[in-house]
Amino acid sequence: LAKTTQPISMDSYEGQEVNITCSHNNIATNDYITWYQQFPSQGPRFIIQGYKTKVTNEVASLFIPADRKSSTLSLPRVSLSDTAVYYCLVGVGEYSGAGSYQLTFGKGTKLSVIP
Amino acid sequence: DSGVTQTPKHLITATGQRVTLRCSPRSGDLSVYWYQQSLDQGLQFLIQYYNGEERAKGNILERFSAQQFPDLHSELNLSSLELGDSALYFCASSAGGLAGGGSTDTQYFGPGTRLTVL
Repeated sequence: LAKTTQPISMDSYEGQEVNITCSHNNIATNDYITWYQQFPSQGPRFIIQGYKTKVTNEVASLFIPADRKSSTLSLPRVSLSDTAVYYCLVGVGEYSGAGSYQLTFGKGTKLSVIP
Repeated sequence: DSGVTQTPKHLITATGQRVTLRCSPRSGDLSVYWYQQSLDQGLQFLIQYYNGEERAKGNILERFSAQQFPDLHSELNLSSLELGDSALYFCASSAGGLAGGGSTDTQYFGPGTRLTVL
């Protein structure tokens, strides 16, 4: 089973840009890369999703290189409310039947925003 | 509020027992996913159903089983419980049919059920 790797934690000051990278060495060919945010005692919440190159929405950008073996979540001008754990999610294997396909979350990156 | 509901919110039980966790997906969503989150293992994918049929299976133990009913709600059954099964169990739902695979759909997570096995 392929691994997804993220930094365990990051600190940032308010107003700075934060970049969190996830390595995923065996992503399924047709799968997207999705990032989620999780606050304590809550379920993960969707942030952004992409297949390749760059995707931007109102809260974040996602950069995916051509080989798709990694992705970088970029949070512009973070605030205290962005303090949370951030997870990447990829699919691994062929989506051809039960057991051969896995949804794999990274271990999560705990972002602490400092005033 | 994601629109996904899970019951119960908390569950305390003893080793060897069996419990059932329930999930109601967002209105209109056909896929349901189950995840286990523990401190040492992170978020682990257990199983996915689409419109009543099993679609993908993750690291789900044989002691665990799930199903999705015609009204699209889902139940996760955990039996012969062990101390190590103590965790947060999340259900998520998505709209779809997963044209390219399970992570193509945006998943909406419920608030979770915290299971404590004593």
